[in-house]
Amino acid sequence: DSGVTQTPKHLITATGQRVTLRCSPRSGDLSVYWYQQSLDQGLQFLIQYYNGEERAKGNILERFSAQQFPDLHSELNLSSLELGDSALYFCASSPRQGTSAGNTIYFGEGSWLTVV
Amino acid sequence: GNSVTQMEGPVTLSEEAFLTINCTYTATGYPSLFWYVQYPGEGLQLLLKATKADDKGSNKGFEATYRKETTSFHLEKGSVQVSDSAVYFCALSERVGSQGNLIFGKGTKLSVKP
Repeated sequence: DSGVTQTPKHLITATGQRVTLRCSPRSGDLSVYWYQQSLDQGLQFLIQYYNGEERAKGNILERFSAQQFPDLHSELNLSSLELGDSALYFCASSPRQGTSAGNTIYFGEGSWLTVV
Repeated sequence: GNSVTQMEGPVTLSEEAFLTINCTYTATGYPSLFWYVQYPGEGLQLLLKATKADDKGSNKGFEATYRKETTSFHLEKGSVQVSDSAVYFCALSERVGSQGNLIFGKGTKLSVKP
């Protein structure tokens, strides 16, 4: 158990809908990351927050957005869903902002999203 | 840009066989290197890491040495078990940088037969 908690574990929704994925980081971790794992694209970094502020953006679509709240939990909002958005979405956390030596990133078990 | 290249799978071995999964990287600066493992139906788990050249990461019988001269971080295990069946991901991050993200290889699926 990494200490990163994600909900829901599984989600099935229709095209055009909007969903919210939730993540609670490990106790004390200030950085939260979102990754998408799909068969064709592999593991891709979406976005990072540090202590409530956006720090880095990867291949995140405009239809997707995220935020980190004062209690450090994070939500990933996916809207106008398409079939191709079906994937496993991982949240991860780490104590610090950068990736300096020792700042290991720990992953949750992921949220399976199926768009039908 | 930074990238990670892993040997393509799947890799199928018999129990107690020797395992090598090749990983090479391209990066600016001095990245930290990681191996993550994903067991069936589960999330990513950190297997081992190395943060500077010539460091050896090890865990659960797996080892990988950070080779700057060959830009490699190959994963090895002397005697695999059925329970090692999983997908293995090599990843890198910059040692010092404003971005905190990992760049992953495409993963290598390992199947160990009894």
